[in-house]
Amino acid sequence: KAGVTQTPRYLIKTRGQQVTLSCSPISGHRSVSWYQQTPGQGLQFLFEYFSETQRNKGNFPGRFSGRQFSNSRSEMNVSTLELGDSALYLCASSLGFPGQNSPLHFGNGTRLTVT
Amino acid sequence: ELKVEQNPLFLSMQEGKNYTIYCNYSTTSDRLYWYRQDPGKSLESLFVLLSNGAVKQEGRLMASLDTKARLSTLHITAAVHDLSATYFCAVVGMEYGNKLVFGAGTILRVKS
Repeated sequence: KAGVTQTPRYLIKTRGQQVTLSCSPISGHRSVSWYQQTPGQGLQFLFEYFSETQRNKGNFPGRFSGRQFSNSRSEMNVSTLELGDSALYLCASSLGFPGQNSPLHFGNGTRLTVT
Repeated sequence: ELKVEQNPLFLSMQEGKNYTIYCNYSTTSDRLYWYRQDPGKSLESLFVLLSNGAVKQEGRLMASLDTKARLSTLHITAAVHDLSATYFCAVVGMEYGNKLVFGAGTILRVKS
């Protein structure tokens, strides 16, 4: 069974640009969550989607947005990139809601570097 | 705000020794997860603890949950080098829209 697939693996962007990251969940998983991981802040929750609906959102500015498609694939977008957005962005999928006893299965992440 | 605190944040231990990583959290929750992350890799699910008193064991790792004390422990028995990694606990905040909040992680280095 294929795991969670994130593309691209690496991205280098300049300040002010925008970026779109993609995540394909494990087949049959309907919940997708996004996390930002940095050495200073650790793992911070961005959003959670279930059946194309955003169920939860973390404390990030409006420049961070996301969506989920009918096939459960998800994308997140960051506009007007800032240096501080450099991070590893992790996508995770689960069978049900994370709060419903379903562990998250993480992808390998997208390493974003903003210069 | 839901806070999840792990300690220690860094642990260097000799092979063959035992040690415990602690995870304290600030909210009512009966769902706690432990993950492992190797350098440059993603997070791997280790344990899912779903009730007070839950205990799970896998190899040299054993995790437990005390919901009344809001505490989970990850016990390492007779450590081996292959256990070197960063370990995260994560708590579902029922009062926070069922968000999953991670601790800062414990970097474990097992020296031979």
